Amino acid sequence: QSVLTQPPSASGTPGQRVTISCSGSRSNVGSDTVNWYQQLPGTAPKLLIYSTNQRPSGVPDRFSGSKSGTSASLAISGLQSEDEAEYYCAAWDGSLNGYVFGTGTKVTVL
Amino acid sequence: QVQLQQSGPGLVKPSQTLSLTCAISGDSVSSNSAAWNWIRQSPSRGLEWLGRTYYRSKWYNGYAVSVKGRITINPDTSKNQFSLQLHSVTPEDTAVYYCARLVGGTPDIWGQGTMVTVSS
Repeated sequence: QSVLTQPPSASGTPGQRVTISCSGSRSNVGSDTVNWYQQLPGTAPKLLIYSTNQRPSGVPDRFSGSKSGTSASLAISGLQSEDEAEYYCAAWDGSLNGYVFGTGTKVTVL
Repeated sequence: QVQLQQSGPGLVKPSQTLSLTCAISGDSVSSNSAAWNWIRQSPSRGLEWLGRTYYRSKWYNGYAVSVKGRITINPDTSKNQFSLQLHSVTPEDTAVYYCARLVGGTPDIWGQGTMVTVSS
């Protein structure tokens, strides 16, 4: 079962800004960097943000990440129809000595 | 570029062993900077990290508490691949299984996924 908590859904119209939260604890988000993944139906998760706020090559700068304490956030600015997907946060958990994921947030473009 | 190609059966009987293989191209299973992981995804459990193997002058393994005692992840340096064995499976182990490379604390490259159903 997922250790990090995300809202089940978020939505916006094209061009709007959408923010997704990720709540963890001192042993994961609070003490390590956070990664974000985008998953389209039937495909493997794709790395969207690493080390809390870094974008891999090829990821648009509309996507940005941040962290404060034991919570992290993913922001999508200038929402586009192709951004409709499931988004997951993830981090290493020092207490569990394992990698943990969020519950996932389904983003819908209205 | 780095690619991971998974193989293995999609149907396993209860109490038997689930076995999957992940072939690596563009990197080495013996890399001193990467770890090779198995992750699964199901509607009931979400994304769940299962374990990893990595080489840092010698081989190390780490497994999730939820499957410890039932899981083995092994590297195969001759074929540049690594494998997952999950023993004594039950229907609860039905999921899509992914292999993934972890670099700098980040699973960055994932395999295509294998849907494994545990059923008689």
